[in-house]
Amino acid sequence: AQKVTQAQTEISVVEKEDVTLDCVYETRDTTYYLFWYKQPPSGELVFLIRRNSFDEQNEISGRYSWNFQKSTSSFNFTITASQVVDSAVYFCALSEWGAQKLVFGQGTRLTINP
Amino acid sequence: DAGVTQSPTHLIKTRGQQVTLRCSPKSGHDTVSWYQQALGQGPQFIFQYYEEEERQRGNFPDRFSGHQFPNYSSELNVNALLLGDSALYLCASSTGTGIIEQYFGPGTRLTVT
Repeated sequence: AQKVTQAQTEISVVEKEDVTLDCVYETRDTTYYLFWYKQPPSGELVFLIRRNSFDEQNEISGRYSWNFQKSTSSFNFTITASQVVDSAVYFCALSEWGAQKLVFGQGTRLTINP
Repeated sequence: DAGVTQSPTHLIKTRGQQVTLRCSPKSGHDTVSWYQQALGQGPQFIFQYYEEEERQRGNFPDRFSGHQFPNYSSELNVNALLLGDSALYLCASSTGTGIIEQYFGPGTRLTVT
């Protein structure tokens, strides 16, 4: 069975601090995809990144970076020099190859205070 | 390029009633998935439609049904509404056989009283 765990329910930091959101997943498949989505107060899920299980290279996009470690089944997300506009709920999600669906974690509510 | 659109934005219904939610996929997409997101929870997969057929279904009762039209738009129907059906209903579109990237709409907020 697939499962995604985001142990941090809420995180609050001051602007310009770095913050890491944790994601741990479970799957019996060897081929799968991992995702991060951002959900601002408007409700729409915004796609941030997709990783496949064969690509463990870390990725950086501006202030965002992702660390994928198969050995610990983790796919963590770091925001560097956080900004108030980063405040949102962030979801980690998993999809097994050909599964046609996303399995989401419970989400982490991130608040960046000015 | 229009993204995924959903209607209505908000809806209030009474227990026992029936509701229909609508979704238009992003231009060029032919696959529509529906998710239910209860307050404070992550989205839960309801089902997916491709080529006007339900391709996969999550762990939801038969009260939840759907339809996909030839233009790829989709409807989600919920019968005999329960208080627990109150949630944000999200539609996501993608292409063909993969779910490599699903684009989500803004959702429909359903409140059952």
